[in-house]
Amino acid sequence: DAGITQSPRHKVTETGTPVTLRCHQTENHRYMYWYRQDPGHGLRLIHYSYGVKDTDKGEVSDGYSVSRSKTEDFLLTLESATSSQTSVYFCAISESSYNEQFFGPGTRLTVL
Amino acid sequence: DQQVKQNSPSLSVQEGRISILNCDYTNSMFDYFLWYKKYPAEGPTFLISISSIKDKNEDGRFTVFLNKSAKHLSLHIVPSQPGDSAVYFCAVSHTGTASKLTFGTGTRLQVML
Repeated sequence: DAGITQSPRHKVTETGTPVTLRCHQTENHRYMYWYRQDPGHGLRLIHYSYGVKDTDKGEVSDGYSVSRSKTEDFLLTLESATSSQTSVYFCAISESSYNEQFFGPGTRLTVL
Repeated sequence: DQQVKQNSPSLSVQEGRISILNCDYTNSMFDYFLWYKKYPAEGPTFLISISSIKDKNEDGRFTVFLNKSAKHLSLHIVPSQPGDSAVYFCAVSHTGTASKLTFGTGTRLQVML
C-alpha cells in the first residue's frame, strides 16, 4: 500500500468553525490531491498540488483552501465550515500527472 | 452536467460468473481511463487503466474495454469472487489536464455465493 495517512479520521464540528485536514505521504510523490465523496456525485476534486507551494483549483474549490510547504504534507482548510461541507474527504498522491493516483483512507467530517 | 456516467447504481452477480460494469463519457478529449474499487470505510484502490491508443487491457481477472466511437468503457471481472463485492468507480482524464481525474458516480457490485 502507498504510504498515505490522513488525520483526523473522523471529526465533528460546528458551523462557522475553522477546520484543517492533513494528508501525509512517505512516497515522495510530486502530486497530491484532495477529493470529497458525496452520495450521487462520486469523487470530486477540490484542489491539487504539483509541487511544494504549487497548487491549483479543482471542480469544487469554493470554501476550501490548501497549503503545501513540504513535499510530504498537503493541508486542506475550511475557513468557516458549513453543513454542505459534511462529506468524506480523500487525499491522493501520484508520481506524475500521467500516473494513477493512490488514495488515503479518508476523513469523515460532519458539520452540525 | 455529468461528464462521466455510470448508469447502473448496483449489480448482483453469482460467484464464478462474469461481472460487467459500464461507464459512458461525453468529452472526446478524454484519453486516459481508469477503474477504482472501493470498500466501505477505505479509500479507493486503483484496479486497471487504459489509454485511448488501445481498445483492451487485461490484468488477471480484470479486463477493461474501450470503445472510443461510442465513448464507452467497461470493466469485465471473470470469474467473479465474493471479495470483489465493492463499489467500482470509473475515472477519466485528458492529456491537457492529466492531473485532474473526473469520476463517475459508482456501481455497487455484489457477488453472491
